[in-house]
Order: sequence, then structure tokens, then C-alpha cells
Amino acid sequence: DTAVSQTPKYLVTQMGNDKSIKCEQNLGHDTMYWYKQDSKKFLKIMFSYNNKELIINETVPNRFSPKSPDKAHLNLHINSLELGDSAVYFCASSQDPERGYNEQFFGPGTRLTVL
Amino acid sequence: AQKVTQAQTEISVVEKEDVTLDCVYETRDTTYYLFWYKQPPSGELVFLIRRNSFDEQNEISGRYSWNFQKSTSSFNFTITASQVVDSAVYFCALSEGFTSGTYKYIFGTGTRLKVLA
Repeated sequence: DTAVSQTPKYLVTQMGNDKSIKCEQNLGHDTMYWYKQDSKKFLKIMFSYNNKELIINETVPNRFSPKSPDKAHLNLHINSLELGDSAVYFCASSQDPERGYNEQFFGPGTRLTVL
Repeated sequence: AQKVTQAQTEISVVEKEDVTLDCVYETRDTTYYLFWYKQPPSGELVFLIRRNSFDEQNEISGRYSWNFQKSTSSFNFTITASQVVDSAVYFCALSEGFTSGTYKYIFGTGTRLKVLA
């Protein structure tokens, strides 16, 4: 059973297009996250949702919009894709963000390539 | 501001050698948590260990051991008798948010470990 799954695994698209990445977790966690990992492997948080409510919103362009239809799903929609958006995007989940003790479980990542 | 420094960008060792990966952190909170994650060539991120700021006991798990020292703000990771399968990028992360109420990870830049046969 996959704990945190993402689709698609690979996404190749042209500049200016709009695309979405889907994430689902079956761990029963309350909190989900999106991270971006650039070509130098640097990992940075983008967003976090707790029970469908946005709790972390880092300095991310407005072209990126997360959507959480329920606490098991957190999708990432990106408008007007740019070359600099090329990266690996990771979804993660954890229990109880008020307690920073809990580890985050990561999905397999989605490699986005913008041409 | 919180920060995590992994000064070693890349380390190469020969199989069976011991290797230590360094992690130094900065935070103003008194309650915080430290983590290590492994990212093998396949790309997924695998949780290895966590430590809270009140527990300075070192930990050993098989060939892995961790040394947490608050006095030097360090949380170093040692692999004993390294194996080729240990080749990966290793990330140290700080989870801090006691003041703000919402914890988030700050990742270090990672250390790429290459274990040569």
C-alpha cells in the first residue's frame, strides 16, 4: 500500500501552459505539504494544509495554487508555467503540526520539466 | 532566523570506511526537533531519525548513529562500515514553530555520499 502517492511521476510541458499535480495520502494524517526541490537538490516548503485549511504559505508566485478537497488530498495547480518552475515537487503528510515531533512522510515526487 | 547548514556538499568513501555527516543548526526557539532523511538515487525521501531539543542522548541504530550536541548546535550522523547501498543524498532538517504555533521543516542543502566498492 502506497502511503503518499503523487500523479503524474513525470510531467513535460511547454512554457505558458497550465498543469496540475495530484497528491493523496492514506495515512489518516491531518496535514499535507508541498515542497519544491531544485536542480541543486535544495528542498523548500511551499504550502501546508491542515484539515483543508491553509496554514503555511511561503513566498510562492501566485501562479501556484494549492487545493485541498479533503484532508487526504492536496493538489497543486500551476498557471502560466515558466522555465524556472522545472523541478521535482514533493508532497508530504504528517500528523498534528502543532507538535513538530512528528515526521513527515513523502511521496515519490513529480519531476516537472518546462520546455 | 532558523537555518540548517550541511557544509559537506559531497563525500566519497571506500566501502567499510566510517563516515560522519555534519549538521549545524540555528534557532531561537527552545523547543525544536531535528531530523535526518535519506534520498537514494531513486529519488524518494526516507525518514531516518528525529531528536527533540530536550533529549541530548545519542542514538544508535545498527550501523547508524547520531550525535546531538546543543552546546555546539550540531546533530551529526555517522555511518559505520559504510556500504554501497548507503550512497544517497542525506538531508538534515530542523522543525521549529513553538513560537508561531505551526511547525515547518527547514532543510539543509544535503550531503551527497558516494560509497565506492
